[in-house]
Amino acid sequence: EAGVAQSPRYKIIEKRQSVAFWCNPISGHATLYWYQQILGQGPKLLIQFQNNGVVDDSQLPKDRFSAERLKGVDSTLKIQPAKLEDSAVYLCASSSDLGYGYTFGSGTRLTVV
Amino acid sequence: AQTVTQSQPEMSVQEAETVTLSCTYDTSESDYYLFWYKQPPSRQMILVIRQEAYKQQNATENRFSVNFQKAAKSFSLKISDSQLGDAAMYFCAQGGGSQGNLIFGKGTKLSVKP
Repeated sequence: EAGVAQSPRYKIIEKRQSVAFWCNPISGHATLYWYQQILGQGPKLLIQFQNNGVVDDSQLPKDRFSAERLKGVDSTLKIQPAKLEDSAVYLCASSSDLGYGYTFGSGTRLTVV
Repeated sequence: AQTVTQSQPEMSVQEAETVTLSCTYDTSESDYYLFWYKQPPSRQMILVIRQEAYKQQNATENRFSVNFQKAAKSFSLKISDSQLGDAAMYFCAQGGGSQGNLIFGKGTKLSVKP
């Protein structure tokens, strides 16, 4: 089966600019996650979707981050405006069964200068 | 709150020898899963091994095995016959429960010496 696709692979932007990341999960996976991984740390959940509804966005900085999952398939994560501390790897993952099987994409490395 | 703690920021092992990575966790969930993920420089999280909390038997996958101590909330990873390709960041994670998202530790960087 095809894996979780993410793009772009790398992105460099200036602070206060906006950026968007795209994720295409494994076909049929109802649950989609966005994680932020700051250098030297483990991934931290930003938002979790079940189909196209939000399950958990408690750690999403909603003043600058937004995410959507249209039609319960692809998802887009946006940052506007970006701050220096947003420099991180953004990982997308999907699963078919809650808590059992997770598949990760290769991530997007964002550098904010 | 659920937490996962990895107390070893870095570990080193000689090729062909055995190394154990430590992990402890805290959760109020009764039904959950525990995972070890490998993250090479390519950044992709690769599943190494998975343990269902309701199973007493420790999971094994070829050279990888775990020591799961549920009462102590401990979940260590043993890598036998270490290979150069095992060098990477290793993350312990807890998943499942009421929402199903993964909670990660801070990771252990494993180096393998030839």
